[in-house]
Amino acid sequence: DGGITQSPKYLFRKEGQNVTLSCEQNLNHDAMYWYRQDPGQGLRLIYYSQIVNDFQKGDIAEGYSVSREKKESFPLTVTSAQKNPTAFYLCATKRTGKNQPQHFGDGTRLSIL
Amino acid sequence: AQKVTQAQTEISVVEKEDVTLDCVYETRDTTYYLFWYKQPPSGELVFLIRRNSFDEQNEISGRYSWNFQKSTSSFNFTITASQVVDSAVYFCALSDTGGFKTIFGAGTRLFVKA
Repeated sequence: DGGITQSPKYLFRKEGQNVTLSCEQNLNHDAMYWYRQDPGQGLRLIYYSQIVNDFQKGDIAEGYSVSREKKESFPLTVTSAQKNPTAFYLCATKRTGKNQPQHFGDGTRLSIL
Repeated sequence: AQKVTQAQTEISVVEKEDVTLDCVYETRDTTYYLFWYKQPPSGELVFLIRRNSFDEQNEISGRYSWNFQKSTSSFNFTITASQVVDSAVYFCALSDTGGFKTIFGAGTRLFVKA
């Protein structure tokens, strides 16, 4: 099946610990995105990547890092510098084209222990 | 700066009622793209419709219809004869001219009661 796989579905982090959220796609889309969703709020852009080995900061990049070594993969690391990491994280992809919609994974819910 | 406002935080209707979800946007771009997404309880956002700024034609798809008006910067979404399965959070979104960055509204949570 074509799609976007985010793992794990639930993740718990201890204070001072870095954690990495996985996002893999087999849609052959060039662009990939990470969003953060807090209760009652819309999606806020953390990082995005238009091509392999290139990525840009979004609106709330502080405390996060990413890599794009392969077209299929765009992992997000939540570092200890992110003081309020509890949220729902969504990965998305987009086909080349200005009016193309984004396609989303099922999300990862991160909580602090 | 771009902005998307969904003033309705939550809407509750009874099944078979019609319901309209409002979306107002702000942008300085002359070319832009608007989208509606549905987020069911499972969490994954599902794409519903897109509209280019130069295409003001309204659209109907089954029980769903969209009204795009550039004069009022609005892109409203109407569900006719709502069903329980329509219960979800609905997001309106705006992409800039380049099409790479998308701004999402805060979402409207729709409850459809049987």
